[in-house]
Amino acid sequence: DQQVKQNSPSLSVQEGRISILNCDYTNSMFDYFLWYKKYPAEGPTFLISISSIKDKNEDGRFTVFLNKSAKHLSLHIVPSQPGDSAVYFCAASDTGNTPLVFGKGTRLSVIA
Amino acid sequence: DGGITQSPKYLFRKEGQNVTLSCEQNLNHDAMYWYRQDPGQGLRLIYYSQIVNDFQKGDIAEGYSVSREKKESFPLTVTSAQKNPTAFYLCASSRQARNTEAFFGQGTRLTVV
Repeated sequence: DQQVKQNSPSLSVQEGRISILNCDYTNSMFDYFLWYKKYPAEGPTFLISISSIKDKNEDGRFTVFLNKSAKHLSLHIVPSQPGDSAVYFCAASDTGNTPLVFGKGTRLSVIA
Repeated sequence: DGGITQSPKYLFRKEGQNVTLSCEQNLNHDAMYWYRQDPGQGLRLIYYSQIVNDFQKGDIAEGYSVSREKKESFPLTVTSAQKNPTAFYLCASSRQARNTEAFFGQGTRLTVV
């Protein structure tokens, strides 16, 4: 059973507009959430994270929102740029020292 | 520069052969991981190690083996028992602490011919 779900396999956005990528989780023990960006044939790179004690974390054009009651988080990219085109993975870890659990990813295409 | 190095980037294997993928890190991280990526499947955990000489199975460990004799190294062997070995393999490491991100290598594309 998938503990981290990214229900949109793909998303297309125009350059300059906002991109919103969504992620849902089922394990209430998860307390740390991360977003990774991945280009083809490369390893994922860390983008931004959020702890469960917060509901928002911002880093430049990237903001992650966490809604614990809904077990939902989202990544906002604004303004979107063509270089943002990649696959974005949501990941989560629980209160122990366990490996990250990843969603299946959302492919973002930013169209110029 | 600190980082994680996976080698080779591309690897071809004949059916029935074992093959070992290399992963080395100089980040002084205690924990290391192997993930597999298949189209539409995201990243699935194969094995992980939180300390030298110790490792645990992940979600899809069947047909794989690992060793962790040194802190810096976590090689993955894909054995002939792995039914569908063609995939993109990713190694990662992290500090042995809560709420820290994992850093990934550039990956190895394994193709069975």
